[in-house]
Amino acid sequence: DIQMTQSPSTLSASVGDRVTITCRASQSISTWLAWYQQKPGKAPKLLIYKASSLESGVPSRFSGSGSGTEFTLTISSLQPDDFATYYCQQYNTLYTFGQGTKLEIK
Amino acid sequence: EVQLVQSGAEVKKPGESLKISCKGSGYSFTKYWIAWVRQMPGKGLEWMGIIYPDDSNTRYSPSFQGQVTISADKSINTAYLQWSSLKASDTAIYYCARQGGVGAFDSWGQGTLVTVSS
Repeated sequence: DIQMTQSPSTLSASVGDRVTITCRASQSISTWLAWYQQKPGKAPKLLIYKASSLESGVPSRFSGSGSGTEFTLTISSLQPDDFATYYCQQYNTLYTFGQGTKLEIK
Repeated sequence: EVQLVQSGAEVKKPGESLKISCKGSGYSFTKYWIAWVRQMPGKGLEWMGIIYPDDSNTRYSPSFQGQVTISADKSINTAYLQWSSLKASDTAIYYCARQGGVGAFDSWGQGTLVTVSS
C-alpha cells in the first residue's frame, strides 16, 4: 500500500497570507497526485490533478507542484472562502488519501 | 452537466443489510469508473473501491475487501454500495465519485449518511 502523509495537520493563517501544504508519498507516484478541498457538510471538490494541473473553474491562486514523493499545494493569497480542509490523493496505484490539513482563520 | 445523485440518509440496526445508490447523469455513465469513499464522523477520506459500469470490473481497497460489495446497473446509470451485516463502526458518510479522464475524482455525489445504532 502507498501511504500519504500531509503536513501540517492544522494550519492557522490570515486573509491575504501565502500558505503551503505538503504531502509525502511512501514511494514514488510520479505526478499521479490530486488535491481536494472540503468544506463542512459538503462533498470534496477537485482543485489540482496530475500534481500541478488546475481543474477548470478553480481560482489561479491555487497551485500545485512536485513529483516522485514530495508535493505541495500553495494558495498565493488566502481568501475567506479558502478556509477548509485539504486532502491530497495518490492515484498511481489504486487510491490513497492523505489524512487532511485543516486551514483555520488565525 | 455531470451529476451524481445519491440515495437518502439511512438509519439501521447492527446486523441489518443495506444497499445505497449513486445515479449518474450528464455524461456517458458506462465509460467512467465510479468510486466509493467513506468519511467517518470528524475524520478524513478513505477510498473503499471502484467499479467500471460498462463491464462491472471492480477493485477494492484491502481495508474494505470482503466488508462491502460494489455493483452497478448500467441500464439505469446507477452504482451501488452494499453491506450484508452492518456494524456500529459503519456509521459514516459515504460518497460516490467519478474518476474523470484526468485520473482524479472530478465529480462527487452529495453523500449518504449511514447511521448504525441499536
